[in-house]
Amino acid sequence: GAGVSQSPSNKVTEKGKDVELRCDPISGHTALYWYRQSLGQGLEFLIYFQGNSAPDKSGLPSDRFSAERTGGSVSTLTIQRTQQEDSAVYLCASSYRGRDGYTFGSGTRLTVV
Amino acid sequence: AQSVTQLDSHVSVSEGTPVLLRCNYSSSYSPSLFWYVQHPNKGLQLLLKYTSAATLVKGINGFEAEFKKSETSFHLTKPSAHMSDAAEYFCVVIYYNQGGKLIFGQGTELSVKP
Repeated sequence: GAGVSQSPSNKVTEKGKDVELRCDPISGHTALYWYRQSLGQGLEFLIYFQGNSAPDKSGLPSDRFSAERTGGSVSTLTIQRTQQEDSAVYLCASSYRGRDGYTFGSGTRLTVV
Repeated sequence: AQSVTQLDSHVSVSEGTPVLLRCNYSSSYSPSLFWYVQHPNKGLQLLLKYTSAATLVKGINGFEAEFKKSETSFHLTKPSAHMSDAAEYFCVVIYYNQGGKLIFGQGTELSVKP
């Protein structure tokens, strides 16, 4: 597609439920990031995929968070047993060559009630 | 660890006056540097990028940034602010000796007064 697509755009879930967030990167982009942005906060790195290399998971805040990227394209971020502090906007970005810059999706706004 | 610092969390200017948003990065071998803008309730948009070509980089909406290696700076400027420039601005660096990871500054909120 023309841009990075994220779905859903908004998600409200009850505390303790699992959620799955999806990112469709630009076709051919080998690098993919997940970040989250909490109200009034900067961007927090979560996970980084680069081609077929093992992902950099160093930013995942707890073992309730996991992400995968199937076939080097679509990525899903899964949060198990959601907590209220998980409420944030989750952003995905992709790039063909990092030095060309990354294109960000519009994000998924997650609200845990 | 290498980092990027945006020196002002908030900048306020009057419409028609110059804008200066400051960014300093850790010294590193040939980093790539970017400025992104985020308008309220919107996604991040790439304003401009430096990738070791010309040190003065022109971006969209009249913004420019100059890469100064001696000062490890990449400040964002615009000669004349417009009301529509009010947004959050992020300086972003890729350090290739750190696996090519994107490193974000803390962000600068730009307010433009009429």
